[in-house]
Amino acid sequence: DIVMTQTPLSSPVTLGQPASISCRSSQSLVHSDGNTYLSWLQQRPGQPPRLLIYKISNRFSGVPDRFSGSGAGTDFTLKISRVEAEDVGVYYCMQATQFPFTFGPGTKVDIK
Amino acid sequence: QVQLVESGGGLVKPGGSLRLSCAASGFTFSDYYMSWIRQAPGKGLEWVSYISSSGSTIYYADSVKGRFTISRDNAKNSLYLQMNSLRAEDTAVYYCARGVYSYGIDYWGQGTLVTVSS
Repeated sequence: DIVMTQTPLSSPVTLGQPASISCRSSQSLVHSDGNTYLSWLQQRPGQPPRLLIYKISNRFSGVPDRFSGSGAGTDFTLKISRVEAEDVGVYYCMQATQFPFTFGPGTKVDIK
Repeated sequence: QVQLVESGGGLVKPGGSLRLSCAASGFTFSDYYMSWIRQAPGKGLEWVSYISSSGSTIYYADSVKGRFTISRDNAKNSLYLQMNSLRAEDTAVYYCARGVYSYGIDYWGQGTLVTVSS
């Protein structure tokens, strides 16, 4: 199974300041079709997860442009350019390149 | 708009069974793969099972293989998860999620809570 790790696991951020979360996979997430099925999810308190970014760097419909994704192979990053109060929650990276699909442990983002 | 509504959760004794359902609307159900993903209380996300758009390809997590069965009825726009031989460690919110072949899982339902306890 592909193991996903995230750092940090907790990120207290000042409103208006940037935040960055790293995700690493235990093996390359490049699929045989050439795509890399690495997604970022946001889970606000009491809510189901919501897709933010798919295939490393593509923002999903309705996602603010302060969220961006980057990376390749086994190393990926989610950046929030200026954290807003509504960004509080847990962020997960997820790979759908190989079964079983696997998730990172989550990074809790809260306001200092 | 895309809607996924899970139902069927509840309290069940260890060794018991439960059948979860997910009603889909707002999209052509038969064009998408579907998955069940669960989240134990206060914990992270765990993928449980996958079914292709036609239902011909199915995968399970090792933790549920042989006990859970995923199925779908494209005529009824519905996804199911039959859960047998339930254990305490199966206690979780179970989410139904839609998958797009070209980029992965995009929409999630609100979830249904399954509690396995005597």
